[in-house]
Amino acid sequence: KNEVEQSPQNLTAQEGEFITINCSYSVGISALHWLQQHPGGGIVSLFMLSSGKKKHGRLIATINIQEKHSSLHITASHPRDSAVYICAAPTGNQFYFGTGTSLTVIP
Amino acid sequence: DSGVTQTPKHLITATGQRVTLRCSPRSGDLSVYWYQQSLDQGLQFLIQYYNGEERAKGNILERFSAQQFPDLHSELNLSSLELGDSALYFCASSVGNRRGDQETQYFGPGTRLLVL
Repeated sequence: KNEVEQSPQNLTAQEGEFITINCSYSVGISALHWLQQHPGGGIVSLFMLSSGKKKHGRLIATINIQEKHSSLHITASHPRDSAVYICAAPTGNQFYFGTGTSLTVIP
Repeated sequence: DSGVTQTPKHLITATGQRVTLRCSPRSGDLSVYWYQQSLDQGLQFLIQYYNGEERAKGNILERFSAQQFPDLHSELNLSSLELGDSALYFCASSVGNRRGDQETQYFGPGTRLLVL
């Protein structure tokens, strides 16, 4: 059993669509991370959140600690959003990573 | 540019060999993290250092070791290399705090290791 489950694994969207990526985790955490990995391999931290909602530009992340669930939303998606999105749940001495959602946004 | 640098960018070596990967954190960051990303296992946390001391240990093999030096740069040593060690190795840094609270991490560009 994976401690962190992401869905969907792959997602193709038309430019302008609203996108949602889900992350469920089974471990107790104080905060959850959303990461973006571009085709070149570089990783960027998008959000770290412990409650409620955070917004940065067209990206919104929400978390429900009691339900152990987080979502990443992209509004008005753009081809440059094409990347792999990974959620990470740190607990104790360990980081658990989802397997990632590969997003392709078509012009 | 995250401000985190890693060297080398690419490394090709043979089974049984030993290599050292280097990471320089963002200026002022006290915490350094090491991760391995392979095709079959995804991202895995290896180890974290805070101000020179080991803080958390994840899935790091006994053949691997790391340290953080007084100038806060860190090195990851991989020895007795096997084919399965071929992966991208990322270093990340964060400001660091004594309590160990979660913080935003800034990732380096990674070192791509190929073991032949």
